[in-house]
Amino acid sequence: AQSVTQLDSQVPVFEEAPVELRCNYSSSVSVYLFWYVQYPNQGLQLLLKYLSGSTLVKGINGFEAEFNKSQTSFHLRKPSVHISDTAEYFCAVSDNNDMRFGAGTRLTVKP
Amino acid sequence: DTGVSQNPRHKITKRGQNVTFRCDPISEHNRLYWYRQTLGQGPEFLTYFQNEAQLEKSRLLSDRFSAERPKGSFSTLEIQRTEQGDSAMYLCASSLTSGRRRDTQYFGPGTRLTVL
Repeated sequence: AQSVTQLDSQVPVFEEAPVELRCNYSSSVSVYLFWYVQYPNQGLQLLLKYLSGSTLVKGINGFEAEFNKSQTSFHLRKPSVHISDTAEYFCAVSDNNDMRFGAGTRLTVKP
Repeated sequence: DTGVSQNPRHKITKRGQNVTFRCDPISEHNRLYWYRQTLGQGPEFLTYFQNEAQLEKSRLLSDRFSAERPKGSFSTLEIQRTEQGDSAMYLCASSLTSGRRRDTQYFGPGTRLTVL
C-alpha cells in the first residue's frame, strides 16, 4: 500500500519570499508523484509530476519539485511567491492504478 | 473548454434521500475516477473505471454507493439513503492510460453534497 504525508498543514509566508512545501511518501513499488493545487470551490489542477528521468521537475506557475528516492520525499518549492499562490496544495502518489493524496498544505501568502 | 465536467455543482438533501451525480470526462479518456474530499482532507479514492468496466472499489464505497459508466463515456455516482456523514465534495477525474503508460488525472470542479 502507498501513502503520503504532508508535514505541514499550514504555511504562512510573505509575498516574494521563497517557500517549500514538504511531502514524504511510502510505497512498496515504483511510484509516480504529483503535486496538485486547489483554489477555493474548485477542482484540483496539476502543478507538476514525476514519472521517471530527471529528479528535478519543473511545473507551472514557477513551481518545481525534487524527487529524492533515498529520503522518499518530493518537496515542492518556489523561489518567490505571489499573493495569487494562496491555495491548498496536495501531494499525491500513484502506482499504475489508484492515487493516494496527502491531507494538504494550506499556503497563505501575505502582503 | 473540453475539460472534465460535473453536475450538479451543489446538492443539498435530507437524510435518507437518494442522490445521483454525473461526471463527463475528457472525451478521449478511457479511465474515470471518483474521489471524496471532506473538509481539511485530501481526496480519498472511491473507485475507477477503464472504459465501462469498474476495476477497483475502495472500502470507503459502502453498499449504499454505486457507480456506473454504461457506455464508457459519462459516469454516475449514486448514494442511497444518504447520511450526514456523506456530506463532502465528490470529485471526478479522467485520464488516458494504456498499458504501462502513465498519464495525468484531470479533475472536474466537484459536486458538493450537504446532507441535512
